[in-house]
Amino acid sequence: DTGVSQDPRHKITKRGQNVTFRCDPISEHNRLYWYRQTLGQGPEFLTYFQNEAQLEKSRLLSDRFSAERPKGSFSTLEIQRTEQGDSAMYLCASSPGAGDEKLFFGSGTQLSVL
Amino acid sequence: RKEVEQDPGPFNVPEGATVAFNCTYSNSASQSFFWYRQDCRKEPKLLMSVYSSGNEDGRFTAQLNRASQYISLLIRDSKLSDSATYLCVVLPPGTYKYIFGTGTRLKVLA
Repeated sequence: DTGVSQDPRHKITKRGQNVTFRCDPISEHNRLYWYRQTLGQGPEFLTYFQNEAQLEKSRLLSDRFSAERPKGSFSTLEIQRTEQGDSAMYLCASSPGAGDEKLFFGSGTQLSVL
Repeated sequence: RKEVEQDPGPFNVPEGATVAFNCTYSNSASQSFFWYRQDCRKEPKLLMSVYSSGNEDGRFTAQLNRASQYISLLIRDSKLSDSATYLCVVLPPGTYKYIFGTGTRLKVLA
């Protein structure tokens, strides 16, 4: 399967713990996105990478959230000191760029903060 | 005004019916538009891009109305398998921050 891969699929954690999610985009896609989705809502933009450069970050993101994309390949999203309000589906997507703007999503990581 | 607005539904239609959804957007300079389909607890999947001239893919037709700032999705001859949430996506100018609507739920009834 050469689609976008996310790990883990599910994460249950206690409030105050740190969590890290991984995303492997479609190979050769130079754009990578993180979105968050809660029940009954559309995906909400978190951040965007062009290769290894983080070019946009949502103002909604607090300092507890950080994302990296070393070497322009896979990406990680870390949430520090998790809160119950962080419970959501975290979706990663990639896009080829170069005039092709379609987004391809991974299966997501469902985070539950107890 | 929200950047992208959709009627959340649900739209309950019988098999074989034709159903249409609209989605309005606030940034008149937006250039790229998409419809995504999302099944319960699954990731969004691209249904179709929306071009200025409109486009059709089998039973699905997407159209763009720039003057009124909305895009539409028409589904003909609805199938039970069309039951899903349909997400409208707009890419504003000068950014790669795709904006999603809240989605419109469709339920096709036997």
